[in-house]
Amino acid sequence: EVHLVESGGGLVQPGGSLRLSCAASGFTFSFYWMTWVRQAPGKGLECVANAKQDGSEKFYVDSVKGRFTISRDNAKNSLYLQMNSLRAEDTAVYYCARLAGSSWYMDSWGQGTLVSVSS
Amino acid sequence: SYELTQPPSVSVSPGQTASITCSGDKLGDKFVSWYQQKPGQSPVVVIYQDTERPSGIPERFSGSNSGNTATLTISGTQAMDEADYYCQAWVSSTGVFGTGTKVTVL
Repeated sequence: EVHLVESGGGLVQPGGSLRLSCAASGFTFSFYWMTWVRQAPGKGLECVANAKQDGSEKFYVDSVKGRFTISRDNAKNSLYLQMNSLRAEDTAVYYCARLAGSSWYMDSWGQGTLVSVSS
Repeated sequence: SYELTQPPSVSVSPGQTASITCSGDKLGDKFVSWYQQKPGQSPVVVIYQDTERPSGIPERFSGSNSGNTATLTISGTQAMDEADYYCQAWVSSTGVFGTGTKVTVL
């Protein structure tokens, strides 16, 4: 069974940094593109970043370019999101998800980790 | 930037059909997925690649995509289908979600 577990969320001041982790199990992690999706309180879903199987290709939503970095360690079956220069509008639940098939649908999701940016 | 527009809410009586639209420029040229999210839970894919239904998703969920509009249809809607629904497509390898639709089963 596919299992994704996010960690690393918490309260951080504006301008601060945080590193999220996503531990994957139940599948061959290195075979899949992976993505981070966030959801601000009471709001909709937003794709933040995604990374190719070997990490050689990465894509970001415009609002986080230059501030967030997605990475992965296939030996540890883990996906990461380094978040710098955090802003109040980055406050959200952050989910990691697996991208499946040729159409890249998100077939498995973690439970999410909450990031709160506030002074 | 690319936008996907959904109606904020749809109401349906139990046993009836609910249709949720998702509009975007030339959306029919892209693959669309649909996600169901219940309060306090992570999203779950109910339709992918426009019309495909993952294993475990009831047959009452179906999808279509043509022109500028994709549609998620729930036939014989049940109380358990009450949730938020989001369409999603990829634009230049960046994911775009629709604005979301709250389905209420009255």
